[in-house]
Amino acid sequence: GQNIDQPTEMTATEGAIVQINCTYQTSGFNGLFWYQQHAGEAPTFLSYNVLDGLEEKGRFSSFLSRSKGYSYLLLKELQMKDSASYLCAVSSGGYNKLIFGAGTRLAVHP
Amino acid sequence: KAGVTQTPRYLIKTRGQQVTLSCSPISGHRSVSWYQQTPGQGLQFLFEYFSETQRNKGNFPGRFSGRQFSNSRSEMNVSTLELGDSALYLCASSSGTRGSETQYFGPGTRLLVL
Repeated sequence: GQNIDQPTEMTATEGAIVQINCTYQTSGFNGLFWYQQHAGEAPTFLSYNVLDGLEEKGRFSSFLSRSKGYSYLLLKELQMKDSASYLCAVSSGGYNKLIFGAGTRLAVHP
Repeated sequence: KAGVTQTPRYLIKTRGQQVTLSCSPISGHRSVSWYQQTPGQGLQFLFEYFSETQRNKGNFPGRFSGRQFSNSRSEMNVSTLELGDSALYLCASSSGTRGSETQYFGPGTRLLVL
C-alpha cells in the first residue's frame, strides 16, 4: 500500500527553528516534494528531493533518506507568516502522480 | 508568467447533477493534473493529462472524468453528484516532459453538493 505519515500539528515560537518529519512507504519513488498551504489557498512548492541528502533554499531546507523512507523539512528563523499546513508528497506510480500526506499544521506564536 | 487559473472558484450543486470545472495551465506547460482535497482524505490524485491524452489515473469512480484540449487547457467533469463530492478541486500544471516534476497549483474550485 501507499502510506505517508507526518505529525498532525506543531507549534513553535517566532525566530525559532522547527523540523517537520515525514515517513513514507510507497510502491515506487520518483522524488519527494514539500508544499506549503495557507488556509483557503492553493499549495505552493517549497522543495524537491530525489537523491539522499540535504537541499537548502533560504530559510527552508529539506532532507531525504531513501533507505529509511524518511524526509524532514527544516524551517529556520520562523516568522508569523510561516503559520500554515506543510504537505509532504511522494511522486509514485507514473507521470506526475503525487501521493500526499495529511499535512502538518504549524502554528507560530510570538 | 501568469499562474494556473481555475474557473469557477465556487460552485453549489445538488445531488444528481453534473458539474464541469476548468483549468488553464501556466503558459508552455503541457501537463495538467487534478486533485481532490477534503478534510477527511486530504489531497488525492484524480488524473493527469498530457497532449490531450490521459497518462495517469487515481482510484476514483468513473463518474469523475476529464479531458484536455490542444491548447493544454483541461476540464474535469463529475456526473451524478453525491454529497461526498463536496471538496476543493485543485489542478496543477507542469511541463510534462519528465515523470516527476514540480507541479504548480491553481487556486482551486470549491464545490458544495447539497
